[in-house]
Amino acid sequence: DTAVSQTPKYLVTQMGNDKSIKCEQNLGHDTMYWYKQDSKKFLKIMFSYNNKELIINETVPNRFSPKSPDKAHLNLHINSLELGDSAVYFCASSQLAGYNEQFFGPGTRLTVL
Amino acid sequence: AQSVTQPDIHITVSEGASLELRCNYSYGATPYLFWYVQSPGQGLQLLLKYFSGDTLVQGIKGFEAEFKRSQSSFNLRKPSVHWSDAAEYFCAVGELQGAQKLVFGQGTRLTINP
Repeated sequence: DTAVSQTPKYLVTQMGNDKSIKCEQNLGHDTMYWYKQDSKKFLKIMFSYNNKELIINETVPNRFSPKSPDKAHLNLHINSLELGDSAVYFCASSQLAGYNEQFFGPGTRLTVL
Repeated sequence: AQSVTQPDIHITVSEGASLELRCNYSYGATPYLFWYVQSPGQGLQLLLKYFSGDTLVQGIKGFEAEFKRSQSSFNLRKPSVHWSDAAEYFCAVGELQGAQKLVFGQGTRLTINP
């Protein structure tokens, strides 16, 4: 039973296209996150949602739009893809209260050509 | 702003040897510190965390880390590494901004020689 799952695992697309990455967690957590890991393995938070409400937005271009249909899902939609968007995107979840462990998904490798 | 520095980008050790991965942080208040491991093609897994109390914390897979406030360090150690420990290791400092915000170091890639 996968705790945090992401689809697709790999995504190859052309510049200018719009794409979505889906994330689901079955841990009953109330908070979900999106992280971006660049080619140098640097990992940076993008967004955090708690009970479908956006609570962290880290200066991400507005081409990136997270959507949380319920607290078990947090999808990432990216418009007008650029070369610099190529990266591995990780979804994570946790309970909000305190510093509970964040559980990470396996990642989605996005390649923009 | 808080930051994390992992001075070693790549470390190679022999199987059975001891390991220490360095982590230095910059944070104005009491830091919440974490070590995560990322195996090839996988997501991140929490090894251990420090919030308060005993400055030597034990984690999974035989890892431990020591918090030293005077040195702003949180180094990860293991007395004897196994080939399966080969992975990328990330140190992170956390703060609460409505939700947990983790700031990661740039990672240290660990290679194990047989």
